[in-house]
Amino acid sequence: GAVVSQHPSWVICKSGTSVKIECRSLDFQATTMFWYRQFPKQSLMLMATSNEGSKATYEQGVEKDKFLINHASLTLSTLTVTSAHPEDSSFYICSAPPTPNSPLHFGNGTRLTVT
Amino acid sequence: DAKTTQPTSMDCAEGRAANLPCNHSTISGNEYVYWYRQIHSQGPQYIIHGLKNNETNEMASLIITEDRKSSTLILPHATLRDTAVYYCIRRSAGKSTFGDGTTLTVKP
Repeated sequence: GAVVSQHPSWVICKSGTSVKIECRSLDFQATTMFWYRQFPKQSLMLMATSNEGSKATYEQGVEKDKFLINHASLTLSTLTVTSAHPEDSSFYICSAPPTPNSPLHFGNGTRLTVT
Repeated sequence: DAKTTQPTSMDCAEGRAANLPCNHSTISGNEYVYWYRQIHSQGPQYIIHGLKNNETNEMASLIITEDRKSSTLILPHATLRDTAVYYCIRRSAGKSTFGDGTTLTVKP
């Protein structure tokens, strides 16, 4: 149980376009989801906390107008990278806990390449 | 700082126990210690967590010192498939901050 699914698993886009990444909790409801970014050979960096029915909370240094987060239902959060540039190329990973104190369950990530 | 400190890399012989240390000297009383591992280009996988008592599950054992300033993850019989980056994380009911992790290489 407690499966988190991300889509797409990889995407290539041209500079200046926008890309939407979906994160779904398949067998539980998630009032909170977390979005991470990971560059090659580096650790995961928390970008933002997605809250169902309210605004996301962004970490310091993360541009909220560039990384749009929508958590419209208890099973779906989306991250939209707007006006993508090559430096946005990274591995984006979402996670969610079935309950606030349970372990985080992670999606398998989305590899974004901006050309 | 909510990060933890782990050795950058470790090797382990296949079939032997792998002992991965983690320092979390500034951990708060309500923060749990969580361990995850990440195999290349995949999302992290949950291994085990604990507050102050030692814990064991089908994957591993977690030994937490009495003062809670450090812990050790034990993989009792490491296999080649256990080669991964292992992350030790402090977490309360909120967000989790990942440190740099330990790259464990299990060798034949």
